[in-house]
Amino acid sequence: NAGVTQTPKFQVLKTGQSMTLQCAQDMNHNSMYWYRQDPGMGLRLIYYSASEGTTDKGEVPNGYNVSRLNKREFSLRLESAAPSQTSVYFCASRKAPGTSGRIRDNEQFFGPGTRLTVL
Amino acid sequence: TQLLEQSPQFLSIQEGENLTVYCNSSSVFSSLQWYRQEPGEGPVLLVTVVTGGEVKKLKRLTFQFGDARKDSSLHITAAQPGDTGLYLCAGLLYNAGNMLTFGGGTRLMVKP
Repeated sequence: NAGVTQTPKFQVLKTGQSMTLQCAQDMNHNSMYWYRQDPGMGLRLIYYSASEGTTDKGEVPNGYNVSRLNKREFSLRLESAAPSQTSVYFCASRKAPGTSGRIRDNEQFFGPGTRLTVL
Repeated sequence: TQLLEQSPQFLSIQEGENLTVYCNSSSVFSSLQWYRQEPGEGPVLLVTVVTGGEVKKLKRLTFQFGDARKDSSLHITAAQPGDTGLYLCAGLLYNAGNMLTFGGGTRLMVKP
């Protein structure tokens, strides 16, 4: 099992360029998430998908779009990158589609991250 | 102001010392998780606490969930250089469904 994989690992963009961050999980999880991590801010949720075919906004969705391509894959798109989007992006997945009474089903598993710099 | 406040933000100690990291909120959580993150990697789950007053131990790490389920602490006994990393707490609010709320993190460095 590879767990959660993300591509690319590093990316440099110029302001206004677009790109898509890819995420895939092989654990048959229902929920998938995109976070950004900035110094001192912990992780902030951008978008999430509770199950295949659904997506919802998180805390900081502006400037981003997502696609839940299938149960395995959840992509994050920046249509017109801005320097404020310079960050490390993490994808995560979780077994339960909603809150589960089973602790293990609520645990999130993270990918290795994508370090994005927008000049 | 973050919903979950972690303190301290930075901690640099010598090998063998004890330390405690705090995670506080005015909100009540149905469960709280602690993660450790190493440079260049994603966070890895250490423990989930669910019941108010619950204490869980993971070798030299002791996790406690506050009685009112608004706060948590992580205590490390006899810290080792391998404990170095970013420690994150994350809470699941009762009405939040899928969404975890993360604290800002505590960056720990244990010097040999």
